[in-house]
Amino acid sequence: SQQGEEDPQALSIQEGENATMNCSYKTSINNLQWYRQNSGRGLVHLILIRSNEREKHSGRLRVTLDTSKKSSSLLITASRAADTASYFCATDGAGGSEKLVFGKGTKLTVNP
Amino acid sequence: DAGITQSPRHKVTETGTPVTLRCHQTENHRYMYWYRQDPGHGLRLIHYSYGVKDTDKGEVSDGYSVSRSKTEDFLLTLESATSSQTSVYFCATTSLIDPTGELFFGEGSRLTVL
Repeated sequence: SQQGEEDPQALSIQEGENATMNCSYKTSINNLQWYRQNSGRGLVHLILIRSNEREKHSGRLRVTLDTSKKSSSLLITASRAADTASYFCATDGAGGSEKLVFGKGTKLTVNP
Repeated sequence: DAGITQSPRHKVTETGTPVTLRCHQTENHRYMYWYRQDPGHGLRLIHYSYGVKDTDKGEVSDGYSVSRSKTEDFLLTLESATSSQTSVYFCATTSLIDPTGELFFGEGSRLTVL
């Protein structure tokens, strides 16, 4: 069963605008990760945020985590056409799990 | 790059035939995973390995088996392929002691079962 669920399923914006994607999950976690997938390619790790962290930055990416609401958001600032991709959150489900569980993803289109 | 190679990258086969997908890594990563990706379902874990000859089932393991006889190779076998196994298959590995750290993915193997 899916642990994380991304919202929206699809997002279309103009270059230069900010893109926000959300992830909700069901059970306690140790960490939450975001991945990007370009069309026809494998997933690439973007950022990992631990359950005791509230916010993390990496370049134009900003991730927040609210464990009380069991949700996370990924913000991409000043988007570029090259940011067009699908974005997935992944959670570890805590409890000593050895596996990550992925959501269904948000498909982001950045129009030039 | 974590040096993960999947083969074949594309395969078309017929229902009832056996299929083996190979994942090869050059980074000496301990944990290896097989996921399948389908529209509307995202990525779902099939099987994973936490060491040579140590494997366990994932969320959608029925109809699949795996083997890991060497650290660098993780094989996924469909003993008798069905049309429902048409999918894109991804191998992933992680180098960290914590298996829920960053995953490195291969480029995928697209399987079509007619």
